[in-house]
Amino acid sequence: GENVEQHPSTLSVQEGDSAVIKCTYSDSASNYFPWYKQELGKRPQLIIDIRSNVGEKKDQRIAVTLNKTAKHFSLHITETQPEDSAVYFCAASRGSSASKIIFGSGTRLSIRP
Amino acid sequence: DADVTQTPRNRITKTGKRIMLECSQTKGHDRMYWYRQDPGLGLRLIYYSFDVKDINKGEISDGYSVSRQAQAKFSLSLESAIPNQTALYFCATSESRDRGRQYFGPGTRLTVT
Repeated sequence: GENVEQHPSTLSVQEGDSAVIKCTYSDSASNYFPWYKQELGKRPQLIIDIRSNVGEKKDQRIAVTLNKTAKHFSLHITETQPEDSAVYFCAASRGSSASKIIFGSGTRLSIRP
Repeated sequence: DADVTQTPRNRITKTGKRIMLECSQTKGHDRMYWYRQDPGLGLRLIYYSFDVKDINKGEISDGYSVSRQAQAKFSLSLESAIPNQTALYFCATSESRDRGRQYFGPGTRLTVT
């Protein structure tokens, strides 16, 4: 069945350093790849997404890259700040034809002061 | 998003009891979802509905049932609750033309004793 694997499950970085979270997906028909951030006690919220017709997308300190051939995509956070501490989920979907989204298992990111 | 609400926010119930979790949205979205979140397992899809007359099972539907009473309301029922259904439950919505971007409710923390 469809599957999304996410690594690492926990990540601790020094404030100001970069953080990278990686995901692989199994369904080659997937064409939409969102990333969600869930702060402690809060609901998941979309922070960035990428569609299969582009290889990279950037929004201030966060960026996502997509390699369709290898079926993997990554989230990059630069110049990390304390407020970046959260659980991050990647996901993959086929898009409008069947918008069921498959989520990765999450990465708990901690920023050390 | 305040446009997606869930009731109750917290619930403690006993094994064997029937319980209903409710979700309402004012976003006008046609698609609604129920997820379960367990530590280390990410978000797993229980049921989803693409419109009022369309209900689909997700990856972990056993022990759960749903009702789409109107476009804005989607309820999740546990017919006979068991302890391993203790989890955080999220409702989400999406718009069919938006390629799957999901908006989550605040979550319901359910404990089955």
